[in-house]
Amino acid sequence: RKEVEQDPGPFNVPEGATVAFNCTYSNSASQSFFWYRQDCRKEPKLLMSVYSSGNEDGRFTAQLNRASQYISLLIRDSKLSDSATYLCVVPPYSSASKIIFGSGTRLSIRP
Amino acid sequence: DVKVTQSSRYLVKRTGEKVFLECVQDMDHENMFWYRQDPGLGLRLIYFSYDVKMKEKGDIPEGYSVSREKKERFSLILESASTNQTSMYLCASSFPSSRTGAEAFFGQGTRLTVV
Repeated sequence: RKEVEQDPGPFNVPEGATVAFNCTYSNSASQSFFWYRQDCRKEPKLLMSVYSSGNEDGRFTAQLNRASQYISLLIRDSKLSDSATYLCVVPPYSSASKIIFGSGTRLSIRP
Repeated sequence: DVKVTQSSRYLVKRTGEKVFLECVQDMDHENMFWYRQDPGLGLRLIYFSYDVKMKEKGDIPEGYSVSREKKERFSLILESASTNQTSMYLCASSFPSSRTGAEAFFGQGTRLTVV
């Protein structure tokens, strides 16, 4: 099983819609989780951190389900500017160093 | 603001050349990483370093080496560039993952073309 798995998409939704995607991870000891956003031809940038059950920031909500080992990202009232690739990151707790990224979920918001 | 700076944004090199990609961070991060990103393959870890002079292979180290002589600088070396190393190269740095706030910060990327 891959350490981090994401649905690659693409998700194509109308402006104003709510969209959610998941990321599953294999290491049950992982403590901290991140969602990154990557625009075309740009570097990934941190969107949200998740350290306990979840985190909310405006239209964005990240939730953690430890029992099923997945994190989710929910985007409400989606905007055209939300179109990007969203990367999930689950640092392995057993290693002090290595960070592995999911392959990303492409989101496209249409007018 | 954390800054991770990569020496070049775009680079064109010939097959067989030795290529150096430099990365510098200003946040005193212990960990530094080199990834390559190709369409449909996501971010793949080449090498990482958790301390000066320490290095660990990632998932695709073949054809690459690294150097970390100072904490702030992590260099990726292509010993003999080949066309299949044409890619976007991303450097990142972070605190150790056992520490809260250990998110990775990325440089702007180097788009390398080997001809």
